[in-house]
Amino acid sequence: GNSVTQMEGPVTLSEEAFLTINCTYTATGYPSLFWYVQYPGEGLQLLLKATKADDKGSNKGFEATYRKETTSFHLEKGSVQVSDSAVYFCALPEGGATNKLIFGTGTLLAVQP
Amino acid sequence: NAGVTQTPKFQVLKTGQSMTLQCAQDMNHEYMSWYRQDPGMGLRLIHYSVGAGITDQGEVPNGYNVSRSTTEDFPLRLLSAAPSQTSVYFCASSSHGQGNQPQHFGDGTRLSIL
Repeated sequence: GNSVTQMEGPVTLSEEAFLTINCTYTATGYPSLFWYVQYPGEGLQLLLKATKADDKGSNKGFEATYRKETTSFHLEKGSVQVSDSAVYFCALPEGGATNKLIFGTGTLLAVQP
Repeated sequence: NAGVTQTPKFQVLKTGQSMTLQCAQDMNHEYMSWYRQDPGMGLRLIHYSVGAGITDQGEVPNGYNVSRSTTEDFPLRLLSAAPSQTSVYFCASSSHGQGNQPQHFGDGTRLSIL
């Protein structure tokens, strides 16, 4: 079945640094890919998504490109802020007729001023 | 627009007690699910529902029951709480779209079993 592997954290960066969080997947076909973000004390929120190969999802300065050749969906941001401190989850559908999602284990990002 | 509402936000139980975690959504979503989040484990699916009257088990269903009598509500019941069920529980919903639709999450219920 489909699966996702996400880089372990925590990732600690200084404000304005460049961010990359790696995510690779195994899937049948070309499912949609998602990044979710969880701020402290809150539930998960959709950050961005891509629905087909070579699509680039973007939101709040974050970007991720659906790479079929490398089966990757790495999350990037050019200049992080303290307010970006959160846990980031890569996810993809399990497959079949349901909406079940498979989540990575999450990567904690801590941005220091 | 309230989205997905979970109650309570915090709960402490004693081993063996039962309780129901409430989840309601106002987006007319067919698909609803319950996850638990534990350190280093990511999110694990407990139960899910593809519509009123239809439920199914996820990855870690033991010790939990669900029902879906309406589109809006999807309560999670702990029959006899155990310390291993100490966790943060999230309810999520989405419109049906074979995995292409994003899921909307509640803010979670933080549950401690003593």
